[in-house]
Amino acid sequence: ETGVTQTPRHLVMGMTNKKSLKCEQHLGHNAMYWYKQSAKKPLELMFVYNFKEQTENNSVPSRFSPECPNSSHLFLHLHTLQPEDSALYLCASSQDGASGGAGNEQFFGPGTRLTVL
Amino acid sequence: AQSVTQPDIHITVSEGASLELRCNYSYGATPYLFWYVQSPGQGLQLLLKYFSGDTLVQGIKGFEAEFKRSQSSFNLRKPSVHWSDAAEYFCAVGAGDMRFGAGTRLTVKP
Repeated sequence: ETGVTQTPRHLVMGMTNKKSLKCEQHLGHNAMYWYKQSAKKPLELMFVYNFKEQTENNSVPSRFSPECPNSSHLFLHLHTLQPEDSALYLCASSQDGASGGAGNEQFFGPGTRLTVL
Repeated sequence: AQSVTQPDIHITVSEGASLELRCNYSYGATPYLFWYVQSPGQGLQLLLKYFSGDTLVQGIKGFEAEFKRSQSSFNLRKPSVHWSDAAEYFCAVGAGDMRFGAGTRLTVKP
């Protein structure tokens, strides 16, 4: 596998379910990101991990819980979601997450299409 | 704070016609600028990027973009559009803390 992979590609869950999204990058990068993409809205940055440490949490509700066990894997744990959380969740990685420098081009996975019933 | 504006939500062009997608940014220092493309059901793919140097940058798939500091713009261009270029295009500014525009959806007419 190359690049950034995400599983599952599609997920339907009820509001009381608990599920997890998985992201894996095979690029040797040190920074990983979760974005939410809703219809007719700009991409929303949710979380940033740099060298396995969370460096940004953009006021995301606690029903979303990220986990980064190593630089290659990133999870997004979901519980008691709301219908408005239905969206495409994109994972990305970059060489590092520090400001400045040519190493911050982000590479994206295909996304997980989440539907909350 | 950095921000990006893509004034056109939806653009339709005929196949073979030229294309220009607009992007205006706000950034406190020398900007790092990117254009990404997203096909339906897919993630974002980088088309081109500007960090420094020549203000006209070449990308993949025949796209180019020109950085104009005086206008705070980074417009994307292609001289002749192909049907396969139909997609959503996103301009972004920043580095690790990247800000994306709302996107421009491109429709290509036969």
